[in-house]
Amino acid sequence: QSALTQPASVSGSPGQSITISCTGTSSDVGSYNLVSWYQQHPGKAPKLMIYEVSKRPSGVSNRFSGSKSGNTASLTISGLQAEDEADYYCCSYAGSSTSVFGGGTKLTVL
Amino acid sequence: QVQLQESGPGLVKPSQTLSLTCTVSGGSISSGGYYWSWIRQHPGKGLEWIGYIYYSGSTYYNPSLKSRVTISVDTSKNQFSLKLSSVTAADTAVYYCARAPDDIGGAFDIWGQGTMVTVSS
Repeated sequence: QSALTQPASVSGSPGQSITISCTGTSSDVGSYNLVSWYQQHPGKAPKLMIYEVSKRPSGVSNRFSGSKSGNTASLTISGLQAEDEADYYCCSYAGSSTSVFGGGTKLTVL
Repeated sequence: QVQLQESGPGLVKPSQTLSLTCTVSGGSISSGGYYWSWIRQHPGKGLEWIGYIYYSGSTYYNPSLKSRVTISVDTSKNQFSLKLSSVTAADTAVYYCARAPDDIGGAFDIWGQGTMVTVSS
């Protein structure tokens, strides 16, 4: 069970859109529509932003959206705001009742 | 509103067993449809899923930690616990407990604030 692969960092200016990728294998991301995304500000617990690839929990801004193609899932944040600056993690079901996280991506709002 | 709170020693000696408890408030740990989970984060690093216990008592562990991990539940106290044996400095991390509902594909929707555990003599 290897960690999912995410870019170490991404950046964008306020108002722009950015996309964070999350690459797994045919044993995890590619086999299940059970990818979730988490936002983590420094010193805080992660917060669920997307579940089941593209669904948003109540209270999460519609600026956040998720998708998946093959073994790669993506998180898109549109209309970038200063408060979006944080670390983002993807997570996938990996079969046999196990889960695996990505290595995390640091988003910088320029 | 359901809340989770981790508790336990912040310092553990090498080779000993790390023991943490997560207290669930605002809801019953016995109610169906939830995986009660442990996740850790090494300093400055990413998240690592440790394992979870289903409300029925079934347990599931990260294969890389399976030989050292035990997760249990105490319904009378509305708590679930983590034991990690034979710890080394590599087990130094912030440990989070979290809830993963069945009906959102097991995503972790509620997290505790996390507790830092340092392994050192």
